[in-house]
Amino acid sequence: DAGVTQSPTHLIKTRGQQVTLRCSPISGHKSVSWYQQVLGQGPQFIFQYYEKEERGRGNFPDRFSARQFPNYSSELNVNALLLGDSALYLCASSLEGATEAFFGQGTRLTVV
Amino acid sequence: AQSVTQLGSHVSVSEGALVLLRCNYSSSVPPYLFWYVQYPNQGLQLLLKYTTGATLVKGINGFEAEFKKSETSFHLTKPSAHMSDAAEYFCAVSEKVEYGNKLVFGAGTILRVKS
Repeated sequence: DAGVTQSPTHLIKTRGQQVTLRCSPISGHKSVSWYQQVLGQGPQFIFQYYEKEERGRGNFPDRFSARQFPNYSSELNVNALLLGDSALYLCASSLEGATEAFFGQGTRLTVV
Repeated sequence: AQSVTQLGSHVSVSEGALVLLRCNYSSSVPPYLFWYVQYPNQGLQLLLKYTTGATLVKGINGFEAEFKKSETSFHLTKPSAHMSDAAEYFCAVSEKVEYGNKLVFGAGTILRVKS
């Protein structure tokens, strides 16, 4: 079975631009979470979605938004990019009610 | 809010030596605890988890961890390090959010294995 897949793997954006990151969960997993991992730090929680509904939101500005589709895939959008948004963005999927999360390989975003 | 502290941002061991990576957590409720490993330019892979029951948890690749409530610790060990164990290791605790849950991670420990 395929694991969590994310696209693209790398991208470079300019300050002020907008970016969309994509995630496909493991088959059968209906919950998707997004994390930001800045170099040298542990991942920080951004969002959790389940059945297209937002289940939780971390301490991130409104420039960050996400949505989940009927097939349980998800997109993370970041507007008005700042240099500080440069990070590895990780998507994780899980079964409903499970605390165990399975991560994708991440999208490395560089803002210049 | 729950938190995780990993003592030692870098740990260096010789091949064949004991690996000990330290993790302490703070939680107001019985915790669910995890160890993840991250290889360069990759995502996180689950090594092991503690939910309830036996306090000594065995994971993949010969790793194990012991939950000690009295010490609020969940240290990761491996009896004999292998070169392939060189990676960054993250301890995490599960925390409730509005209608779901999230993982709260420590800052990570980079393990170096010397030949």
